[in-house]
Amino acid sequence: EVQLLESGGGLVQPGGSLRLSCAASGFTFNTYAMSWVRQAPGKGLEWVSVISDSGDITYYADSVKGRFTISRDNSKNTLYLQMNSLRAEDTAIYYCAKAATLGNYRYFDYWGQGTLVPVSS
Amino acid sequence: EIVMTQSPATLSVSPGERATLSCRASQTVSSNLAWYQKKPGQAPRLLIYGASTRATGIPARFSGSGSGTEFTLTISSLQSEDFAVYYCQQYNNWPLTFGGGTKVEIK
Repeated sequence: EVQLLESGGGLVQPGGSLRLSCAASGFTFNTYAMSWVRQAPGKGLEWVSVISDSGDITYYADSVKGRFTISRDNSKNTLYLQMNSLRAEDTAIYYCAKAATLGNYRYFDYWGQGTLVPVSS
Repeated sequence: EIVMTQSPATLSVSPGERATLSCRASQTVSSNLAWYQKKPGQAPRLLIYGASTRATGIPARFSGSGSGTEFTLTISSLQSEDFAVYYCQQYNNWPLTFGGGTKVEIK
């Protein structure tokens, strides 16, 4: 059974940093691209970033480019999101998601339950 | 960036009735479109990819159609567990973008 478990969320002040983790199990982690998607309170889904299976290719939404860094440790079956220079508008539930097919980066078949990141002073 | 527009924002439907949800792209996305179901407090669930292919385990009452800029998700006979918010997502171009969602509520 595929499981994705996010952690690392919590209250952070504007300008601060946070690192999210997503522990994966139930599939061959190093053969699938992974992504982060967020949902602000009362809003819709917003794609944040994606990383290839090997970690050598990454893409970012313009809203986080230069501030967030996606990475993965295939030896630990874990996905990360380093978030710097956080803003109030980054307040959201952050979901990690698994690419639906091999070699695909673009749509996602399994998602975690999410971790909440409130950015506030 | 491709803007995805979903309509209506809210759809009130009685159980057993048909629901038709629309998604429009600001430019062509070919058939590179997915649909997700989202319930409060739960993870999103992939329903459809490639505009019309049901994901593994998705009931046949869910169907997708369209290509280019106009897409439709149809739920043929609404069950109680289908009341949720539905999102379309284009994956033809970077950045990946979602529509604003359609909430399907009980009439």
